[in-house]
Amino acid sequence: GAGVSQTPSNKVTEKGKYVELRCDPISGHTALYWYRQSLGQGPEFLIYFQGTGAADDSGLPNDRFFAVRPEGSVSTLKIQRTERGDSAVYLCASSSSGSPLNEQFFGPGTRLTVL
Amino acid sequence: AQSVTQLGSHVSVSEGALVLLRCNYSSSVPPYLFWYVQYPNQGLQLLLKYTSAATLVKGINGFEAEFKKSETSFHLTKPSAHMSDAAEYFCAVSERTGTASKLTFGTGTRLQVTL
Repeated sequence: GAGVSQTPSNKVTEKGKYVELRCDPISGHTALYWYRQSLGQGPEFLIYFQGTGAADDSGLPNDRFFAVRPEGSVSTLKIQRTERGDSAVYLCASSSSGSPLNEQFFGPGTRLTVL
Repeated sequence: AQSVTQLGSHVSVSEGALVLLRCNYSSSVPPYLFWYVQYPNQGLQLLLKYTSAATLVKGINGFEAEFKKSETSFHLTKPSAHMSDAAEYFCAVSERTGTASKLTFGTGTRLQVTL
């Protein structure tokens, strides 16, 4: 079956612009996560959805970052007024539930470059 | 707060040699621990996980890890390295009691396998 997909695979934007990154989770997975991986670092948690609601958004760095999952499936991570420090690979993962016993399946990521 | 520390950002072994990648964790409650592998231009893939059922955990591709509470360690091993094992490896911890099973990752260890 299809895994987690993310689009675009690469996004180059200019400082100050708005970007949207999309995640298509595995069908039927209720839990969805966003992580950010900066160069030379491990992924860092951003936000977790259980169904349509954001159950934990404690990892969002500031109010320029926002994510939605209106129908409990596809999720969009939105970044306003991008800064050069936002350049990173943004990873999405999904799981059959929010339990830590269930594996998180990761997508290939979107590489965001802010010039 | 939970955290993991991976000793050695780069490890090089000869093909056929033992692979040992080190991970130490810090957690205020009994943790769930994971090892993920990331091949170039691919998403993170789960190698194995510890969920308290057994301290020696066997994963895919011949890897295994042993949970040692007294040493707060969860080192990853493989008896004989293959060229195909060259990748980046991440150790991660998930809090058992949290409402969200967000993962906290280490900074990763890049494994190089030489002839």
